[in-house]
Amino acid sequence: GAVVSQHPSWVICKSGTSVKIECRSLDFQATTMFWYRQFPKQSLMLMATSNEGSKATYEQGVEKDKFLINHASLTLSTLTVTSAHPEDSSFYICSARGPTGRGEKLFFGSGTQLSVL
Amino acid sequence: SQQGEEDPQALSIQEGENATMNCSYKTSINNLQWYRQNSGRGLVHLILIRSNEREKHSGRLRVTLDTSKKSSSLLITASRAADTASYFCATSKLDSGYALNFGKGTSLLVTP
Repeated sequence: GAVVSQHPSWVICKSGTSVKIECRSLDFQATTMFWYRQFPKQSLMLMATSNEGSKATYEQGVEKDKFLINHASLTLSTLTVTSAHPEDSSFYICSARGPTGRGEKLFFGSGTQLSVL
Repeated sequence: SQQGEEDPQALSIQEGENATMNCSYKTSINNLQWYRQNSGRGLVHLILIRSNEREKHSGRLRVTLDTSKKSSSLLITASRAADTASYFCATSKLDSGYALNFGKGTSLLVTP
């Protein structure tokens, strides 16, 4: 149980276009989801916390108008990278707090490798 | 903000040997977790140790936590080539909604 599905696995886009990444909790309801970014050979950096039905909370230095997060249902959160530029190329990973009783543990999607040309 | 610091940054051992990775953190925590990441993939949860626990075992994994020193260690015994991956510690606090702050990770290479 507690499976998180993330799509797409990889995406290549032209500079200036927008890219949407989906994160779904398949067998549990996730009221809270987290979005992380990871540059090559570096650690995961928390970008934002997404709560169902409310605005996302962004970490310092993360532009909320560039990284749009929507958590419209208990099983789906989306991250849209707007007007992507080459410096946005990175590995993006979502995670969800586990179901009741397992809330301390985060379950991660398989990640999305974004390459902006 | 990045909190955990792992050492070593890279570790190379032979199959059958034990691998020890250390993690230090700076602020108070509710729990500390260890994750594994194979190259370019998502993270797999390995073990969670709460702030009131000192040691925990799971199969070939042994984790210790010293809250007075704000440090933790992950020991993998009898390592296998399949253990080759990056290992991250992450700290969690209730007042951050259990968001995880990850360390920089240790890259482990196990050679046959």
